Amino acid sequence: EAGVAQSPRYKIIEKRQSVAFWCNPISGHATLYWYQQILGQGPKLLIQFQNNGVVDDSQLPKDRFSAERLKGVDSTLKIQPAKLEDSAVYLCASSLERKGNEQFFGPGTRLTVL
Amino acid sequence: SQQGEEDPQALSIQEGENATMNCSYKTSINNLQWYRQNSGRGLVHLILIRSNEREKHSGRLRVTLDTSKKSSSLLITASRAADTASYFCAVTGGGNKLTFGTGTQLKVEL
Repeated sequence: EAGVAQSPRYKIIEKRQSVAFWCNPISGHATLYWYQQILGQGPKLLIQFQNNGVVDDSQLPKDRFSAERLKGVDSTLKIQPAKLEDSAVYLCASSLERKGNEQFFGPGTRLTVL
Repeated sequence: SQQGEEDPQALSIQEGENATMNCSYKTSINNLQWYRQNSGRGLVHLILIRSNEREKHSGRLRVTLDTSKKSSSLLITASRAADTASYFCAVTGGGNKLTFGTGTQLKVEL
């Protein structure tokens, strides 16, 4: 089965610019997650969707980050405007609806903010 | 702050040796999962152990869970160079939210 797809793989922008990341989860996976992984740290959950509804966005910096999952499949994560501290790898993951099961991760997008 | 804390932060061993990594967490959990991350394949799920389980095996992996001590260990037996990666524990509390630790960097030398 195809895995979680993400694009772009790499992105370099200057601070105060905008950027968007795209994720296509595994077919049939109702739950989709966006994580931020800063170098040397573990991934940190930004937002969790169940179908096209938000389950948890408590750690999403809502003044600059936004995410949507239209039609309950693909998702986009946007940063506007970007700050230097947003430099990180942004990981998308998906899982079946059952609670507590494993998550499948995409390859990530490495963002560098100059 | 992150829920899980791995120990050691870095580990270097020779091929064929066993590698042990530990994870401590702070609150009650439903399950604990271990993931591996390397530059070639991204973050990959290794094994899941539920809160009512004490030990689980998968191939060369053995995971233990001690809920009274809020700790887990991952043992990789007969390590290979291909096991070189970062290993993360992640705990699930309510819902399906995973909270990751800081990771152990394992290097297996030939």
